[in-house]
Amino acid sequence: GNSVTQMEGPVTLSEEAFLTINCTYTATGYPSLFWYVQYPGEGLQLLLKATKADDKGSNKGFEATYRKETTSFHLEKGSVQVSDSAVYFCALQRLTQGGSEKLVFGKGTKLTVNP
Amino acid sequence: NAGVTQTPKFQVLKTGQSMTLQCAQDMNHEYMSWYRQDPGMGLRLIHYSVGAGITDQGEVPNGYNVSRSTTEDFPLRLLSAAPSQTSVYFCASSGDRGHSPLHFGNGTRLTVT
Repeated sequence: GNSVTQMEGPVTLSEEAFLTINCTYTATGYPSLFWYVQYPGEGLQLLLKATKADDKGSNKGFEATYRKETTSFHLEKGSVQVSDSAVYFCALQRLTQGGSEKLVFGKGTKLTVNP
Repeated sequence: NAGVTQTPKFQVLKTGQSMTLQCAQDMNHEYMSWYRQDPGMGLRLIHYSVGAGITDQGEVPNGYNVSRSTTEDFPLRLLSAAPSQTSVYFCASSGDRGHSPLHFGNGTRLTVT
């Protein structure tokens, strides 16, 4: 079946440090891949996405590249800020044969950035 | 733009009580879904709908009912609340199927005592 595995947190960094959150997936076919972010007390928001192999999604200084050969979609940011403190979810999405969407989430990685 | 609106934000129920969590979206999205979020478990799909009049079960449907009489609304009903249903519930919607991201509401925090 389809699954997403994220590195376990929590992750604690100092401001301006480099961030990597690993994400690997198992899926049949050609899923789309997403990173969502959840700030305290809020719902999830789309951070970035990639819909095919070798695509790079980017937003707010975050980047992730869809690597089919390693089935990975690692999230990176060169210099984190305190405002990046949140929970990050990797997810894959694909159509089923019946035409409905199937979205599978990782368990989330909590990031805390200290000043 | 309101997006996805969930009500209430907080709710406390006693075991055995019933209630409905409301979800409405104003983006004319076909696809709507309900998730529950529990510590260490990520998000788990409860029920989803691909259009008005069409619903289907997700990963953890037991104890929950849904209906989709209009494109805009997708209420989630707890028939007889149990402590195991204490969780944060999120409603989400999306437009095109397959490759479009979800838009989430801000959640309903439910406690069952």
